[in-house]
Amino acid sequence: YVLTQPPSVSVAPGQTARVTCGGNDIETKTIHWYQQRPGQAPLLVLYADRGRPSGIPERFSGSNSGNTATLTISRVEAGDEADYYCQVWDTGVDHLVFGGGTRLTV
Amino acid sequence: QITLKESGPTVVEPTQTLTLTCTFSNFSLSTYGTRVGWFRRPPGKALEWLALIYWDDDKRYRPSLGNRLSIYADTSKNQVVLTMTNMGPVDTATYFCARSRDYYYGLDVWGQGTTVTVSS
Repeated sequence: YVLTQPPSVSVAPGQTARVTCGGNDIETKTIHWYQQRPGQAPLLVLYADRGRPSGIPERFSGSNSGNTATLTISRVEAGDEADYYCQVWDTGVDHLVFGGGTRLTV
Repeated sequence: QITLKESGPTVVEPTQTLTLTCTFSNFSLSTYGTRVGWFRRPPGKALEWLALIYWDDDKRYRPSLGNRLSIYADTSKNQVVLTMTNMGPVDTATYFCARSRDYYYGLDVWGQGTTVTVSS
């Protein structure tokens, strides 16, 4: 199973950033999103399409429909600058799959 | 507080075998649904999954690396060990371990990572 992300997204502070993740019938999958700042470990920012782990701001939201899942970051801040990855469990073979990552520049 | 921490060599020579240990605390790998995985991020490249071990000792491997990887758990020590044979320069990366309590909740806790360079 292949997940496709744009290599980069650029947004001004205070604006809304949308990071997409494309896959065949992705709406039938459970999508997770991770943020990875330079030199740091990945951080789960959304689970199961739109769930927010404890400590993740409400500015982070998600959707999943058709062949595209989307991570939306509202009121973008400088600290949101990072690489973002979508991930699914390919339940047919029980493997993990990551998208190629999107570099968010603020 | 759940933590994971990776340990292992920082430099490995080509053709050698890499052994990495993930030591975790405040959860049990024996709990139904729990899994611990290994991941890596090569310089300038994307994050990728390597191997996964389940609460029932089931194991999964990245298909392209399958015959080079081995994962096992020592539950008495709260450790998950990854071995990768025949290391080459392309395996230079930061390696991470992470926990998932169920596929629905994603990989919710990650170790800080350990950098491995393959060089003679």
